[in-house]
Amino acid sequence: EVQLVESGGGLVKPGGSLRLSCAASGFTFSSYSMNWVRQAPGKGLEWVSSISSSSSYIYYADSVKGRFTISRDNAKNSLYLQMNSLRAEDTAVYYCARDLMGGTSDYWGQGTLVTVSS
Amino acid sequence: DIQLTQSPSFLSASVGDRVTITCRASQGISSYLAWYQQKPGKAPKLLIYAASTLQSGVPSRFSGSGSGTEFTLTISSLQPEDFATYYCQQLNSYPRSTFGGGTKVEIK
Repeated sequence: EVQLVESGGGLVKPGGSLRLSCAASGFTFSSYSMNWVRQAPGKGLEWVSSISSSSSYIYYADSVKGRFTISRDNAKNSLYLQMNSLRAEDTAVYYCARDLMGGTSDYWGQGTLVTVSS
Repeated sequence: DIQLTQSPSFLSASVGDRVTITCRASQGISSYLAWYQQKPGKAPKLLIYAASTLQSGVPSRFSGSGSGTEFTLTISSLQPEDFATYYCQQLNSYPRSTFGGGTKVEIK
């Protein structure tokens, strides 16, 4: 059974940093690209970042470019999102998701809430 | 950026109804469209990809159609477990995909 479990969310002050993790199991993690997608409270979905299976290709939404860094450790079956210079508008539930093909996400974690507030 | 407009944004329907949700793209996206279902407090669930391909395990009452700029998600006979919010996602500009604003389906 495919499982994705996010962790690392919490309350952080504006300008602060947070590192999200996503532990994957039930599939060959090293064979799949992975995505981070977020959802602000009461709002819709927003693609944040994607990383290819071997980390050769990395992409970011304009809203987070230069502040967030996606990475993965295939030996540990783990995906990460380092978030720096956090802003109030980054407040959201962050989901990690497996990429079925071309950005379509077929399995999602339960999400982890990031709240940026003073 | 490619914008997706879903209509309606809110829909009230009864069990057994046929429901159709539309997603319009601001420019042509071929068949690079996916549909997701999200229930409150839960992660989205993939229903349809490549505009019309049913994801494994998804009931056959769900179907998708369209290409270019206009797409539809149809639920042939609404079931109690189908009350949720539905999102479309365009992947033509991969990896910079965008989602529609969502359609909330509630019980009449």
